[in-house]
Amino acid sequence: QLQLQESGPGLVKPSETLSLTCTVSGGSISSRNYYWAWIRQPPGKGLEWIGSVDYSGSTYYNPSNKSRVTISVETSKDQFSLKLRSLSAADTAVYYCARHNVMPGWFDPWGQGTLVTVSS
Amino acid sequence: DIVMTQSPDSLAVSLGERATINCKSSRSVLYSSNNKNYLAWYQRKPGQPPKLLIYWASTRESGVPDRFSGSGSGTDFTLTISSLQAEDVAIYYCQQYFSTPITFGPGTKVDIK
Repeated sequence: QLQLQESGPGLVKPSETLSLTCTVSGGSISSRNYYWAWIRQPPGKGLEWIGSVDYSGSTYYNPSNKSRVTISVETSKDQFSLKLRSLSAADTAVYYCARHNVMPGWFDPWGQGTLVTVSS
Repeated sequence: DIVMTQSPDSLAVSLGERATINCKSSRSVLYSSNNKNYLAWYQRKPGQPPKLLIYWASTRESGVPDRFSGSGSGTDFTLTISSLQAEDVAIYYCQQYFSTPITFGPGTKVDIK
């Protein structure tokens, strides 16, 4: 059964860069059939798709944060990563990684999520 | 961007009764060439990630109880829980995947009356 697990710092300072990693187990990230996504949910707010990457490294970003986001894949480790630059308090959120089978598509499964707080 | 709205914001239903959640998209998510609605529904319980319930607006994900059903087409969709169980207390979200950016509804909280 495919599982995804986010990892990274829980606290980051304003203006710094957030780096999160999603590790995929129970399956290969190299499958040509899937895309790998980052989604976030600020406290008390809705879900926001940040962007996705496929096995080859092709990326698809939400224009809302495109200038600050880089998503990459490391197939040898079955991992994909998110870098979000120039952080502000508005980036405080639970960050999820997830898989989808078409671009765009529905998300299944999801990682448990990791809370990232941006604060000095 | 396609904006997703949901109603109501929250509802409380007695155990065994029907719960109905509405989702509306700012543009049609029906793709005419295949007659499919690019709309999914998720359930999120406290402390857990969202769980996929339904895709293509009405196709139930494997393992999802048949008391959950999705309907609608174009811009108006409904998630129905035919007989609410205690374990169904959660927030429910709709999501469109007709175009990028992928967008979600704000969520509807379902509680027991």
